[in-house]
Amino acid sequence: DSGVTQTPKHLITATGQRVTLRCSPRSGDLSVYWYQQSLDQGLQFLIQYYNGEERAKGNILERFSAQQFPDLHSELNLSSLELGDSALYFCASSPYGGADTQYFGPGTRLTVL
Amino acid sequence: AQSVTQPDIHITVSEGASLELRCNYSYGATPYLFWYVQSPGQGLQLLLKYFSGDTLVQGIKGFEAEFKRSQSSFNLRKPSVHWSDAAEYFCAVGRGNQGGKLIFGQGTELSVKP
Repeated sequence: DSGVTQTPKHLITATGQRVTLRCSPRSGDLSVYWYQQSLDQGLQFLIQYYNGEERAKGNILERFSAQQFPDLHSELNLSSLELGDSALYFCASSPYGGADTQYFGPGTRLTVL
Repeated sequence: AQSVTQPDIHITVSEGASLELRCNYSYGATPYLFWYVQSPGQGLQLLLKYFSGDTLVQGIKGFEAEFKRSQSSFNLRKPSVHWSDAAEYFCAVGRGNQGGKLIFGQGTELSVKP
């Protein structure tokens, strides 16, 4: 158990819908990261927040957005969902904002029908 | 462009045999290097990491990896594989000036024969 929690574990929804994935980092960690894992793209970095501020951005679609709240939990919002958004979404956390060991949560499996 | 290559998509070894998983990276400077393992239905667990110093690093579960700058490689090794090592293994690189962004290889799936 890494100490990173993600909810929900599974999510099934329809195209065009909007969903919110939630992540609670390990106690004391200030950075939260979001990754997408799919069969065709592999593991892709989406975005990083450090102490409430955006720190780094990957190839995150404009339909996707994230935020980190004062209690350091984070949410990833996915809107106008497409079939291709079906994937495993991981959250990770680390103590600081730079190159650092990242601890991964168990993931949220999103299925878009 | 920065990239990580794991040339072997799938490897099968016999239990008790030695293992080496390959990882090559393309980066502009000395990267931070990681190996993670993912069991079916699970998240990623850190096996080991290299930031600086001794180029041979020891990790959990009897794994080790060696950073070779001249070959841009960070291969993962284990002298004797156990059936419980069957999983998918990911090499990842990061750089301090890009926040904590990690670039992952495509992964190597390890099967262990009894």
